[in-house]
Amino acid sequence: SQQGEEDPQALSIQEGENATMNCSYKTSINNLQWYRQNSGRGLVHLILIRSNEREKHSGRLRVTLDTSKKSSSLLITASRAADTASYFCATAANFGNEKLTFGTGTRLTIIP
Amino acid sequence: EPEVTQTPSHQVTQMGQEVILRCVPISNHLYFYWYRQILGQKVEFLVSFYNNEISEKSEIFDDQFSVERPDGSNFTLKIRSTKLEDSAMYFCASSAEGNQPQHFGDGTRLSIL
Repeated sequence: SQQGEEDPQALSIQEGENATMNCSYKTSINNLQWYRQNSGRGLVHLILIRSNEREKHSGRLRVTLDTSKKSSSLLITASRAADTASYFCATAANFGNEKLTFGTGTRLTIIP
Repeated sequence: EPEVTQTPSHQVTQMGQEVILRCVPISNHLYFYWYRQILGQKVEFLVSFYNNEISEKSEIFDDQFSVERPDGSNFTLKIRSTKLEDSAMYFCASSAEGNQPQHFGDGTRLSIL
């Protein structure tokens, strides 16, 4: 798989349920970031987790990072209709001036 | 909350013409980036810029592309002679430091005819 591959590609759940998206990557990283993109809009930064961190929380978001498995997960708890969007993981390989390598994204649909 | 702003939101250009995409990064940020997203594909890195010079560029960023920070606020991407395959959404981003979150603008949709 390519650097930054998310699964599933698409996910539909009922409002109020939890949504889990996974990301796998191939090379070593300095940090991993999750972004949300609403249709036709820019990327909104959600959370950044560094390579020496295992878990981070922000509101209803929980991100885990397993560098031994080169994988990360994004959990959105108590989903809302407004969470409907595409979610991308992006990895930064180098400390300093970091280009982000994006995954293919998970299209999340929350059914009211 | 400070935002990255991009203009225009949509640019339609004839093949072979030059185009300049404009961005105003967040004011106290030091690192600037351009990415593009071809319809239905991944977001791809083009170039990063720090301290008034390019720090990294991808293989996409060939000699038809250039970037400039002409003043203290604007950051521009120029495509000298556009091709059909340059049609994409172009995103500008900025970050306070290199290992900090990158904040993206809403993008410029570039359509080459």
